[in-house]
Amino acid sequence: DAGITQSPRHKVTETGTPVTLRCHQTENHRYMYWYRQDPGHGLRLIHYSYGVKDTDKGEVSDGYSVSRSKTEDFLLTLESATSSQTSVYFCAITGNSYNEQFFGPGTRLTVL
Amino acid sequence: GESVGLHLPTLSVQEGDNSIINCAYSNSASDYFIWYKQESGKGPQFIIDIRSNMDKRQGQRVTVLLNKTVKHLSLQIAATQPGDSAVYFCAENWDSGAGSYQLTFGKGTKLSVIP
Repeated sequence: DAGITQSPRHKVTETGTPVTLRCHQTENHRYMYWYRQDPGHGLRLIHYSYGVKDTDKGEVSDGYSVSRSKTEDFLLTLESATSSQTSVYFCAITGNSYNEQFFGPGTRLTVL
Repeated sequence: GESVGLHLPTLSVQEGDNSIINCAYSNSASDYFIWYKQESGKGPQFIIDIRSNMDKRQGQRVTVLLNKTVKHLSLQIAATQPGDSAVYFCAENWDSGAGSYQLTFGKGTKLSVIP
């Protein structure tokens, strides 16, 4: 997975609790992305980062925040988890080409 | 970004036959179009891309065709193998401003290879 890890890999939580997912890369790449994947919707961009402390919203950013204090780490926080945020979350980095994103193994999040 | 969609959600192909996966796009301003493959339980994996000023590009056993007139993209897989069974996504790369690029993915087509 091109030096990308995600933690945790699986999480079950309750509605209303905060949740933080971590993406860690060892490739020193500038761009990092968070996607969610749901049946019938494919992959949808939540937030992305183009450098330390530089982030921007994607298509489905409501209810999510991100932080990037170091090049290697990109955190996704669900401020108050809802059942609609039950999904598989993928982190990605951009390689030498903007077209080629390398994806992490994913985090399966279930909000009860 | 504008939407990227697919004509067929599922495709079953006999092993050894050629596969064709189709995709329609709507954003004619995209610079590149890309195909990704996702195997069960894994993240998507880049297969091949094509620049918007090209109409064909070949890789190893794969060919991508771009028809800008009808905004259509296709992925052809030659001599399909069981290991090709996966979900295939088309995506478009567009400039979201200030040099930041985003990928917009289609909903995916599931390819099943029959041994």
